[in-house]
Amino acid sequence: AQSVTQLDSHVSVSEGTPVLLRCNYSSSYSPSLFWYVQHPNKGLQLLLKYTSAATLVKGINGFEAEFKKSETSFHLTKPSAHMSDAAEYFCVVSELTGNQFYFGTGTSLTVIP
Amino acid sequence: DTGVSQDPRHKITKRGQNVTFRCDPISEHNRLYWYRQTLGQGPEFLTYFQNEAQLEKSRLLSDRFSAERPKGSFSTLEIQRTEQGDSAMYLCASSLYSGGWAGENIQYFGAGTRLSVL
Repeated sequence: AQSVTQLDSHVSVSEGTPVLLRCNYSSSYSPSLFWYVQHPNKGLQLLLKYTSAATLVKGINGFEAEFKKSETSFHLTKPSAHMSDAAEYFCVVSELTGNQFYFGTGTSLTVIP
Repeated sequence: DTGVSQDPRHKITKRGQNVTFRCDPISEHNRLYWYRQTLGQGPEFLTYFQNEAQLEKSRLLSDRFSAERPKGSFSTLEIQRTEQGDSAMYLCASSLYSGGWAGENIQYFGAGTRLSVL
């Protein structure tokens, strides 16, 4: 069975400081992993995806995530937070064919001016 | 706008009434998905279609929930005899599935329909 655990429900950072949102996954085979962002009153937007081509994945808006099989982790990072990054972030694992997505409970990111 | 659109954006209904939501996917996408998101939780998968065929519906929450995609384009999600516990955001997503790796099956989401059952 596939599942993800987002280790922090809320993260607060100052503008210009690094962002770290943590995600651990459980999968019975090599997983497909994604990060989505949800701004208020907007649809979920794909930030990045892990496709096994490279363990360090670059996404939009300066976000990156590193796949670590030994730690079953897929943490999301950004070197410098911007006010517009304030949103809800979801880590997602997909079953093999990509038909069913399993979402984490989300991490709410607050950026302090 | 060529993204996934959902209608209505908000629905308030009384307990026991039936409600229907519509989703229009990205036009070339062959797969369409429905999710439910409750407060403080991530979206929960309900069902999906490939073209007009409903390929997975075992995770629909009860027999009060049903979905259709009659012509392989837009889809509707119906909840009969609504209960207060049905209050949630209902999300639709679509993807272009070509039979490849899961990581290539990117789902694009609409903004959702927020249901409030009084």
